[in-house]
Amino acid sequence: QSVLTQPPSVSGAPGQRVTISCTGSSSNIGAGYDVHWYQQLPGTAPKVLIYATNKRPSGVPERFSGSKSGTSASLAIAGLQADDEADYYCQSYDISMTASFGTGTRVTVL
Amino acid sequence: QITLEESGPTLVKPTQTLTLTCTFSGVSLNTPGVGVGWIRQPPGKALEWLGIIYWNDDKRYSPSLKSRLTISKDTSKNQVFLTLTNVEPVDTATYYCVHPNVYSNGSQWAYWFDPWGQGTLVTVSS
Repeated sequence: QSVLTQPPSVSGAPGQRVTISCTGSSSNIGAGYDVHWYQQLPGTAPKVLIYATNKRPSGVPERFSGSKSGTSASLAIAGLQADDEADYYCQSYDISMTASFGTGTRVTVL
Repeated sequence: QITLEESGPTLVKPTQTLTLTCTFSGVSLNTPGVGVGWIRQPPGKALEWLGIIYWNDDKRYSPSLKSRLTISKDTSKNQVFLTLTNVEPVDTATYYCVHPNVYSNGSQWAYWFDPWGQGTLVTVSS
């Protein structure tokens, strides 16, 4: 029961820039909680891509960036590459002290 | 380096109780601020946060599963357990054990999950 809404899919040609939205509410993103993003390659466990809205763990390319405004957040992928094809999930925290994930977005490289 | 590994049955019958074990290393639940969480993912579907247990035995559960879910720990063995009662086919999923990175952004406490265990697929079927 995801309380964060993402588009089911986005696509782009190699080299293009794509963005994935994550829409929450006043009880999570709108309450000031950060958003985190995960990349899940086929058959593998998710791994963190962006944490605390706009921070990259070491090893994550600068092509990946995050932002937040109001009750929504976005993940941008610049210079799209073939190995960016994966499922992406946002995650945030709620005033009820629970965490929640987004509905997930599949990125396809054309 | 923190590592986590899930173990337990791969097949459970409807109405039975599912118990999974997360064995971890590189962190201790004796340390203030440390927690271990559970997340699941039905085949082809989205991630679902299940719950978390902290070093002080404080627990938080998903509201939708709170009546059936219990998370407990054995600190001496570096293990955390997930118990889900009265399972149904909709509980079929890959269950992940995760380490929450707890932090404050100046006004609120929150966390993100890293690392994750490799996950264990549990099928609920008669």
